[in-house]
Amino acid sequence: DVKVTQSSRYLVKRTGEKVFLECVQDMDHENMFWYRQDPGLGLRLIYFSYDVKMKEKGDIPEGYSVSREKKERFSLILESASTNQTSMYLCASSLGLAGVFIQYFGAGTRLSVL
Amino acid sequence: AQSVTQPDIHITVSEGASLELRCNYSYGATPYLFWYVQSPGQGLQLLLKYFSGDTLVQGIKGFEAEFKRSQSSFNLRKPSVHWSDAAEYFCAVDNNNDMRFGAGTRLTVKP
Repeated sequence: DVKVTQSSRYLVKRTGEKVFLECVQDMDHENMFWYRQDPGLGLRLIYFSYDVKMKEKGDIPEGYSVSREKKERFSLILESASTNQTSMYLCASSLGLAGVFIQYFGAGTRLSVL
Repeated sequence: AQSVTQPDIHITVSEGASLELRCNYSYGATPYLFWYVQSPGQGLQLLLKYFSGDTLVQGIKGFEAEFKRSQSSFNLRKPSVHWSDAAEYFCAVDNNNDMRFGAGTRLTVKP
């Protein structure tokens, strides 16, 4: 089974802190994604990566950055956390084959910024 | 603009009753279609998918979905709901490697 592991289930941070959310997948997937999930809005794509050291902006990249130094690990960085970044963050991965785009999700990190 | 619509924010059904969750999309071509389920405090789990072929697809946990091209719909169904089906359900559409999710439908199951 594919396993996508997010390092923290719950995080509480203060406004202005730099926050790192870590995600690791064990299936050698090329693609990795970061979403945020808010009630009534579904999942919105923040950033994604198709390869090591490669990143692409999603729909809501403002206030976030990412890092992918190794194929299995994709980090989301909040440079200076703000209260409007309080949310559930979901990481996903998928194979890179064209047309076969099943995404596998981690359990999520619920971030509260105070 | 491309979009995925789940018209029902919240649905309540009695245990043992049938269930249908609606999903409509607006894309020019036939995209790839998915239903995911999210139990409280968990990530998303794939229930079923449609890529091509038979428009009625079977998934895990007794769920099925039917793709109707003429209606741009991909509704999820289950003939008899169990209490453990209480969760949030997301329809997703992948058009040329651009995945979009609906806002979700929360399912409550009454005893």
